[in-house]
Amino acid sequence: GENVEQHPSTLSVQEGDSAVIKCTYSDSASNYFPWYKQELGKRPQLIIDIRSNVGEKKDQRIAVTLNKTAKHFSLHITETQPEDSAVYFCAARAAGNKLTFGGGTRVLVKP
Amino acid sequence: DTEVTQTPKHLVMGMTNKKSLKCEQHMGHRAMYWYKQKAKKPPELMFVYSYEKLSINESVPSRFSPECPNSSLLNLHLHALQPEDSALYLCASSQGMKSNQPQHFGDGTRLSIL
Repeated sequence: GENVEQHPSTLSVQEGDSAVIKCTYSDSASNYFPWYKQELGKRPQLIIDIRSNVGEKKDQRIAVTLNKTAKHFSLHITETQPEDSAVYFCAARAAGNKLTFGGGTRVLVKP
Repeated sequence: DTEVTQTPKHLVMGMTNKKSLKCEQHMGHRAMYWYKQKAKKPPELMFVYSYEKLSINESVPSRFSPECPNSSLLNLHLHALQPEDSALYLCASSQGMKSNQPQHFGDGTRLSIL
């Protein structure tokens, strides 16, 4: 089955700096890669996703890149703000619509 | 505002109790999911329903029994749970089972087993 590894597990950045989270996946059949943000006590919220036929996608301060050959994808947050503090999960989906999540990254943005 | 509604928000039950978790969506989605999330861990898939039929069961113990009465509702019936079953139970839905259809989560039910 699919295996997704996520790094780092914790990330502390100064407000205004950039944050980068990296994920690798094992199943070359995976073709959809969403990113979820989960604040304490809240639901995972989809913030951006990318499909395997696209190399990069951007939405305001958030961007995701995908390297299918290397089987890794990354989340980039620019100009970080305190409200970006949360746990971020990457995920990969292969056939059958089964999502496999990475272990999560706790991001702390210090004002 | 979440478009996937879960009730109750919190549930405390003893190991001999029977209870049910409920999930509802009115987005016309035809795939619905149950996940279990322990503290500081990612969500783990339990069950997937597609067009009201059970599509995936991730070898979940029989003390968890899912039910999909119609395309908008998903239940999870609980019986004889163990303390290690205490977790956040998340419901999600997607338009269908195709790979380009994102899953949207509800706020979850926080379950505590005494």
